[in-house]
Amino acid sequence: SQQGEEDPQALSIQEGENATMNCSYKTSINNLQWYRQNSGRGLVHLILIRSNEREKHSGRLRVTLDTSKKSSSLLITASRAADTASYFCATDDDYGQNFVFGPGTRLSVLP
Amino acid sequence: ETGVTQSPTHLIKTRGQQVTLRCSSQSGHNTVSWYQQALGQGPQFIFQYYREEENGRGNFPPRFSGLQFPNYSSELNVNALELDDSALYLCASSPAGNHYGYTFGSGTRLTVV
Repeated sequence: SQQGEEDPQALSIQEGENATMNCSYKTSINNLQWYRQNSGRGLVHLILIRSNEREKHSGRLRVTLDTSKKSSSLLITASRAADTASYFCATDDDYGQNFVFGPGTRLSVLP
Repeated sequence: ETGVTQSPTHLIKTRGQQVTLRCSSQSGHNTVSWYQQALGQGPQFIFQYYREEENGRGNFPPRFSGLQFPNYSSELNVNALELDDSALYLCASSPAGNHYGYTFGSGTRLTVV
């Protein structure tokens, strides 16, 4: 089954800076999603981007998708301490039935 | 509109025992997926239920089984617990299919000793 792989594994920035996380995947997809997880809690859905879309925005979040490179990026602008969390990308599996998650990027935003 | 609720929040079991975890899906969602998340790892897909039928399964042994009820709530059962089953178990619901984002519960933290 295919799986997204986030990069970097960990990222530490100062409050106010922008944070960029990348996700690479192996085979063609229908959808790609980004989720946030605060320590030990459930995942929160951030954005879903379809394979025919190239960019989506939601507040301070911007997601891009490059299907030719099989990669996506999540940009968080003007980061806040509350953005400290793990961020996961999820791609649909070989059967298009379920989402498969990568190992995540652990973001720390320092005040 | 309520979100996804899971119970219990924490659980400690002994190796070899059996455990049942419960999940109430968000109103209007007929699809429930279960994930296992080991510490420091991404969630691993266990299986999905759609309209009371299993609709896809990940690489987990048969001692992981599930049910979905007519009200779309779901159970995850694990028999013959092993130490490596210690993890956060997450339930996620969605409208039919995977064309929408999942709504996750807060999870059940299972510790096997």
